[in-house]
Amino acid sequence: KNQVEQSPQSLIILEGKNCTLQCNYTVSPFSNLRWYKQDTGRGPVSLTIMTFSENTKSNGRYTATLDADTKQSSLHITASQLSDSASYICVVTPNRDDKIIFGKGTRLHILP
Amino acid sequence: GAGVSQSPSNKVTEKGKDVELRCDPISGHTALYWYRQSLGQGLEFLIYFQGNSAPDKSGLPSDRFSAERTGGSVSTLTIQRTQQEDSAVYLCASSLATAWPLSYEQYFGPGTRLTVT
Repeated sequence: KNQVEQSPQSLIILEGKNCTLQCNYTVSPFSNLRWYKQDTGRGPVSLTIMTFSENTKSNGRYTATLDADTKQSSLHITASQLSDSASYICVVTPNRDDKIIFGKGTRLHILP
Repeated sequence: GAGVSQSPSNKVTEKGKDVELRCDPISGHTALYWYRQSLGQGLEFLIYFQGNSAPDKSGLPSDRFSAERTGGSVSTLTIQRTQQEDSAVYLCASSLATAWPLSYEQYFGPGTRLTVT
């Protein structure tokens, strides 16, 4: 069964610190993997997208990595800001006939 | 330009009542998706529309759920005889297309929070 597991479920860090969120998936083969940021009460917004052949993708202070061999992806946030407080969702798109699969997300809290 | 909009933003209804949720996609986007997000759960695919093709309804949880898209633009999701387990945030997204490998970005609306009492 295709699955996307994210860890930790929640994370609290101080403003200015770095953090890394994990995504493990069993979807294979897949066409792309995305990381979304979802602010409270808002819809998800895409941060990065990587195809299976890409290893890393950056978007400002956000850097996503992908290891297709171990089926793991991570999202690294550098120099966190209060506005980074949100849920971060890992999403994997299988082949063309299967539905995209959303992880349950990691809830990140940035403390001043 | 305007993003995806949804209405109402919040809906409280009594068990057994019908509700209609509305989604206005981004102009020119041919693909439209409905998802459900329950507390502590990941997004659950419900249905998607692509142009004039028959919609993919494979994610609808029961026959109480239905959706339509008029004129290839606005979509309404209808839940009949609502149950308490229908309480969730219902998100709509649109994209330029659904062509594999799905490189087209899905843009999400703010969602409708449905509470069934």
